[in-house]
Amino acid sequence: SQQGEEDPQALSIQEGENATMNCSYKTSINNLQWYRQNSGRGLVHLILIRSNEREKHSGRLRVTLDTSKKSSSLLITASRAADTASYFCAGAQKLVFGQGTRLTINP
Amino acid sequence: NAGVTQTPKFQVLKTGQSMTLQCAQDMNHEYMSWYRQDPGMGLRLIHYSVGAGITDQGEVPNGYNVSRSTTEDFPLRLLSAAPSQTSVYFCASSRDRRGNEKLFFGSGTQLSVL
Repeated sequence: SQQGEEDPQALSIQEGENATMNCSYKTSINNLQWYRQNSGRGLVHLILIRSNEREKHSGRLRVTLDTSKKSSSLLITASRAADTASYFCAGAQKLVFGQGTRLTINP
Repeated sequence: NAGVTQTPKFQVLKTGQSMTLQCAQDMNHEYMSWYRQDPGMGLRLIHYSVGAGITDQGEVPNGYNVSRSTTEDFPLRLLSAAPSQTSVYFCASSRDRRGNEKLFFGSGTQLSVL
C-alpha cells in the first residue's frame, strides 16, 4: 500500500502562526499530493510535488519531499481562520489517503 | 462544467436493501474512483477505474460492485446493505489514469444503514 500517514493527528494554533504537518508513506511514489477537507465536504486539491522535486511553493503553502526518508511536509504560513480544516496526503498510484491532520486556527 | 456530480446526497437504507450511488463527471477524465470516509477517519479506496470497461479493487471492495460502461459514469452498487456500510461516500476523477494528476471530488453521499 502507498498509504500516507499524517502527523500530528490534530494541531491547534493561533491565527497568524505557521502550521506544519507531516506525511510518511511506505512505497516508492511518482508524486505526492496534499488535499484539504472542510467539515465533511469533498477534498480539494492543494498541491502536487513530483518525486524529482524537493520543494514547492503555492501562495502561503510550502511542501517538501524527502524520497530517501519517504516523507513530506506541508507548511502553511501566516495561518487564517479559514485554514481550519483536515489535511490529507496521498501518493500515486491508486491515491490512497491517510487519516489526516485536523488543523484548528484559533482567533 | 459541473465537475463531479454525486447523487443522492443523503440516503437511508434498511439492512439487506440494495442501492446504487451515482457518479458522473463531465471533464472527460479517464480515472474515476470511489472512497468511503467514516467519522474522524481518512478516506479508504473502494474501487477505481482507469477507463471505460476497466475496473479494479481498492482497499475495501467487499460488499460493493462497480462498472464503467461510459467514460462519464461510474456507479457504485451496494448489493445487500449492512450497518457497517454506514459512511460518507465520495467519488473522484482525474485526467491521468496513472494517478499523476490531481483528483476532483464530488460533494459526497451520506449513507445510513439501519
